[in-house]
Amino acid sequence: NAGVTQTPKFQVLKTGQSMTLQCAQDMNHNSMYWYRQDPGMGLRLIYYSASEGTTDKGEVPNGYNVSRLNKREFSLRLESAAPSQTSVYFCASSEDRAGGDQPQHFGDGTRLSIL
Amino acid sequence: DQQVKQNSPSLSVQEGRISILNCDYTNSMFDYFLWYKKYPAEGPTFLISISSIKDKNEDGRFTVFLNKSAKHLSLHIVPSQPGDSAVYFCAASLFAGTALIFGKGTTLSVSS
Repeated sequence: NAGVTQTPKFQVLKTGQSMTLQCAQDMNHNSMYWYRQDPGMGLRLIYYSASEGTTDKGEVPNGYNVSRLNKREFSLRLESAAPSQTSVYFCASSEDRAGGDQPQHFGDGTRLSIL
Repeated sequence: DQQVKQNSPSLSVQEGRISILNCDYTNSMFDYFLWYKKYPAEGPTFLISISSIKDKNEDGRFTVFLNKSAKHLSLHIVPSQPGDSAVYFCAASLFAGTALIFGKGTTLSVSS
């Protein structure tokens, strides 16, 4: 079972370059999420999509855009990368709203370095 | 202001003993609490959760205790095994919320 698949796994960018991180889930989940994790920090929500066709900002949305392409796919775009966006990015999905009875399933992350 | 706090960055335990990981929270509106386990170079994996209307939930070697009056929860692992060595994140969700709020994590090391 693939679950949540993120591509690429690693990427190095120069400041000012643009990039799209891809995420796809095969569990027929309604909700999808993008988080970033920085050293010594927990995961912080960038954007989420409660259902196909909707997206909303999370805790740290500045510098990012998202697209919920269809029910399976949720992409994260950096229009003009900055060194502060060096991080590990995790995509997640859940059947419905996040919660104990609807745990989120995570991909293995994209490690992004911006020089 | 951190709503979910894991004040111990690391914990070392011997194989076979009990591991106790702690988590404090500030928002009384949280309705579910979850624990995730994360190995290096992998995504977090859901471990166990507890509803705010309960005070204990058990799944095999893992038990989560919730003390609402103290706004504190803990994860007990008994007996601890070397394969339990990982980073453990405490997370919480708001009623009718849309995403999880994570603590910074505790690195558990279980030595054989």
